[in-house]
Amino acid sequence: DAKTTQPTSMDCAEGRAANLPCNHSTISGNEYVYWYRQIHSQGPQYIIHGLKNNETNEMASLIITEDRKSSTLILPHATLRDTAVYYCIVRVASGNTGKLIFGQGTTLQVKP
Amino acid sequence: NAGVTQTPKFQVLKTGQSMTLQCAQDMNHEYMSWYRQDPGMGLRLIHYSVGAGITDQGEVPNGYNVSRSTTEDFPLRLLSAAPSQTSVYFCASRARWTGDTEAFFGQGTRLTVV
Repeated sequence: DAKTTQPTSMDCAEGRAANLPCNHSTISGNEYVYWYRQIHSQGPQYIIHGLKNNETNEMASLIITEDRKSSTLILPHATLRDTAVYYCIVRVASGNTGKLIFGQGTTLQVKP
Repeated sequence: NAGVTQTPKFQVLKTGQSMTLQCAQDMNHEYMSWYRQDPGMGLRLIHYSVGAGITDQGEVPNGYNVSRSTTEDFPLRLLSAAPSQTSVYFCASRARWTGDTEAFFGQGTRLTVV
């Protein structure tokens, strides 16, 4: 699985968009980009994933660059409850073992 | 739908004691995994299973044993607890053949070894 690089921490004002970057320059053609978050030492929670195209769901948007070497998770209107550690992970989706290799993640602090 | 259930939520052990952390899922998922998380760090994979009767080692398997006799359960055994195993343990499950699916995590077991 490809390695990812994320900033250690970020701040965001409540109500503003939070843009969390992730570099994955060694990503392979069949590897997806996944985002999880962990709030207050709870179990990690799935947010979104994508392969090539940008994706959006009720929680967030995922923007993947054309060369797929980086991506950005966007929380459009951050709230205090979005304060968490956000993990960017790349892995093969179909037929893999279900393993997730976590890095250090980005600690997002949403401030009033 | 309970999802992934871990028991106990908290546990204190003395060095050398043994115990089993329980993990059960009711989603009929083939894949199950165990992770540990030390303070200020990301999760590290201990062991994983791709189905009943099949297990394999992850990044940090030493000191832990697993077995998978049923699809639903994936217990993690500490044979002789050490202070270095003080950590928060998370179990996860995921469906196998539905393409790009997400993993579901339990709420964790907080283990202290004194």
